[in-house]
Amino acid sequence: GENVEQHPSTLSVQEGDSAVIKCTYSDSASNYFPWYKQELGKRPQLIIDIRSNVGEKKDQRIAVTLNKTAKHFSLHITETQPEDSAVYFCAASLSGNQFYFGTGTSLTVIP
Amino acid sequence: GAVVSQHPSRVICKSGTSVKIECRSLDFQATTMFWYRQFPKQSLMLMATSNEGSKATYEQGVEKDKFLINHASLTLSTLTVTSAHPEDSSFYICSARDAFSPDTQYFGPGTRLTVL
Repeated sequence: GENVEQHPSTLSVQEGDSAVIKCTYSDSASNYFPWYKQELGKRPQLIIDIRSNVGEKKDQRIAVTLNKTAKHFSLHITETQPEDSAVYFCAASLSGNQFYFGTGTSLTVIP
Repeated sequence: GAVVSQHPSRVICKSGTSVKIECRSLDFQATTMFWYRQFPKQSLMLMATSNEGSKATYEQGVEKDKFLINHASLTLSTLTVTSAHPEDSSFYICSARDAFSPDTQYFGPGTRLTVL
């Protein structure tokens, strides 16, 4: 089955700096890669996703890049703000099937 | 946007009792729902995939007789933790896949189960 690894497990950045979280996956058939943000005790919220036919996608301060050959994808958050502090999860799936989540990254943005 | 509700949000029960958790898609049809378990500061671990009108598919290591899943309609799936024990205490989250947008999963708010 699919195995998703995520790094780093914790990340602290100064407000205004950028944050980068990286994930690798094992199953080359996976073709959908969402990123979720989860605040303490709350549900995961989809923040951005990318499909395997696209190399990069951007939505305001958030961007995701995908390298299919290397089987890794990354989340980039620019101009970080304190409200970006949360746990971020990457996931990989074969379209329409179950998600396999990474282990999560706890991001702290220091004001 | 798509909304998924989960009930109850929090439950405390005695060891040996059974607890039922409901997951509902409020404004879309969900042919497939997923049940996850999350321990503190850990990732979401997929327990089972629930398909409307058929038996659930359980992940390896998940006891199907302990975690009973029923997906009787396009908007409702239930997870019953039978004969709960303290080690079953966890945060249980469901997600639902929109039949018309199959890539995306929408998550419920989760249920905090504490077994005394």
